[in-house]
Amino acid sequence: EVQLVESGGGLVQPGRSLRLSCAASGFTFDDCAMHWVRQAPGKGLEWVSGISWNSNKIEYADSVKGRFTTSRDNAKNSLYLQMSSLRADDTALYYCVKDRGRISSYAFDCWGQGTLVTVSS
Amino acid sequence: DIQMTQSPSTLSASVGERVTITCRASQSISSWLAWYQQKPGKAPKLLIYKASILESGVPSRFSGSGSGTDFTLTISSLQPDDFATYHCQQYSSYSYTFGQGTRLEIK
Repeated sequence: EVQLVESGGGLVQPGRSLRLSCAASGFTFDDCAMHWVRQAPGKGLEWVSGISWNSNKIEYADSVKGRFTTSRDNAKNSLYLQMSSLRADDTALYYCVKDRGRISSYAFDCWGQGTLVTVSS
Repeated sequence: DIQMTQSPSTLSASVGERVTITCRASQSISSWLAWYQQKPGKAPKLLIYKASILESGVPSRFSGSGSGTDFTLTISSLQPDDFATYHCQQYSSYSYTFGQGTRLEIK
């Protein structure tokens, strides 16, 4: 069974940093691109970042470019999101998402349950 | 970025009804479109990818069509389990934008 388990969320002050982790199991992790998608309370879905299977291609939404860094460790079957200079509008549930493809996307076929990040003083 | 516009935002329907949700892209995305179902407090679930291909395990009452800029998700006969929010998403190019969502409610 494919499982994605996020961790690392919490309450953080504006301007501070936070690191999210995602532990993957049940599939060949280094065979898939991975993404972070977020959902602000009561709002729609927003793609945040994506990383290819070998980390050669990493992309970011304009809203987080320069502040967030995505990485992966295929030996540990793990995905990470380093978030810095956090703002109130970064408050959201952050989902770790598996892609059907390795480099370019072929749709998101498995989602974790999410970890909540709240940015507030 | 490619903008995705879903309509309607809210849809009220009864069990057994046939319903259609529309998604329009601001530029051509070929068939690089997915539909997701999301229930309250749960993560989204992939229903359809490449505009019309049903994900494994998804009931056949769900179908998708379209290409270029105009797409539809159809549920042929609504079941109680189908009342949820539906999101379309383009994965033709970064950023992989989503529509604003369509909330399907029980009439």
